[in-house]
Formats: sequence, C-alpha cells, structure tokens
Amino acid sequence: EAGVTQFPSHSVIEKGQTVTLRCDPISGHDNLYWYRRVMGKEIKFLLHFVKESKQDESGMPNNRFLAERTGGTYSTLKVQPAELEDSGVYFCASSQDPSGSGTTGELFFGEGSRLTVL
Amino acid sequence: AQSVSQHNHHVILSEAASLELGCNYSYGGTVNLFWYVQYPGQHLQLLLKYFSGDPLVKGIKGFEAEFIKSKFSFNLRKPSVQWSDTAEYFCAVNARNTDKLIFGTGTRLQVFP
Repeated sequence: EAGVTQFPSHSVIEKGQTVTLRCDPISGHDNLYWYRRVMGKEIKFLLHFVKESKQDESGMPNNRFLAERTGGTYSTLKVQPAELEDSGVYFCASSQDPSGSGTTGELFFGEGSRLTVL
Repeated sequence: AQSVSQHNHHVILSEAASLELGCNYSYGGTVNLFWYVQYPGQHLQLLLKYFSGDPLVKGIKGFEAEFIKSKFSFNLRKPSVQWSDTAEYFCAVNARNTDKLIFGTGTRLQVFP
C-alpha cells in the first residue's frame, strides 16, 4: 500500500513568489492534515480536511495560505505571496475514520516538503 | 491551551546506554498520547501510543513509555540504545474526540557506536 506522498520534496523560491505544495493521502483516508515545522520549533497544526470539507483551519497563519482538497482526494497548499517566515517543512498526514468518531489513533505522515524562501 | 514540552533538545549516547526522553503535557481533559520518530531522510512514524488501560505502553523496536497522570508525563524509555536509534523523537497529544495532534519541539538523539 502506498503511503502519503508529498511534492515537491524541496522548493526554493524568492520572497513574493507563489508556491503550491501537493499531498496525496493514503487511498481511502478521509482525514487529511497539514502541519508545518519552522526550524528548531515544534510541528504545528495548520488545518484538517474531512473528505473535501475543511473541518478545522484554526492553524492557518494568514490569508496568504490557501488549502484545497479536490473531490476529497489529493490536497494542495498554496502560499501566495511567500514571505521569509514561511520557510519550513510542511508535513501532510492522513488517517482513516471508519467509525465517524473522529478518533482513529494514528496519523500517517508524508516525508514533508521543505520550503525555503529567500 | 494544549501544549507539550520536551525538555531534552539534543541527547548524545553511546550504544548500549539507557535512554529516557521526557515529555510533559498541559491539557485539562482526557487525552491520547503518542511518540513519533523521524529517522534521517524518512517520514514521521508512530513509535507507540497510549489511549487507556495499562499506563506502561510498549512500542516498536524495544521502546516503551509510561503515562503518569498525576505528573502529566509520558516519558519514553529504552534500556539499551543502538546506533540505528539515531533519529528525532516527537511527543504528541490529542484530545479524545479529535485526531488533531499537538507536538512537542522534538528531541534529537544521536547514538555513537
């Protein structure tokens, strides 16, 4: 079974440019999460999709960040325009929710997309 | 607000040494507790988890963790580390009705042969 895949693995852009990160969750996983780790700090929650709906986007830093999940499959996270403080590793994770309880016990993570804004 | 503290940022050990990584959390309700590990060049993966029952939890690769409710702690232990345990370790917590994880800052473990 394929795991969570993320693309690109590393992106270097200049301040003011746009970057789009993509995440393909494990097939059949309704829950999809985006997290971010700024260097040396904790991994922070950004948002949570259940299928194509945003369940919780309380962690999104500001309106320069836009996340979508087309048809409840893959997700994209766009940063426009990028700022220096957006540099970090963006992790995507997915999980099953067979019972609908919202508690499945394990998130499966991708390898992350490292974003460097110069 | 929920938070997780990992007091050891960088730990250096020789092979066969014992390991204990501290984790304390702050949350008023019932929580699930996790340790994730990220080996160099790999994705985050679950090491072990605690939901309920026996507070001593055993995970993969000989790791275990003990939940001490009175201390809000979930320390990770391994009696004898190996070079292959070199990785970054993250403690995390979520509230019982959500998968949303709150992570600590991580502990980088280096094990020398």
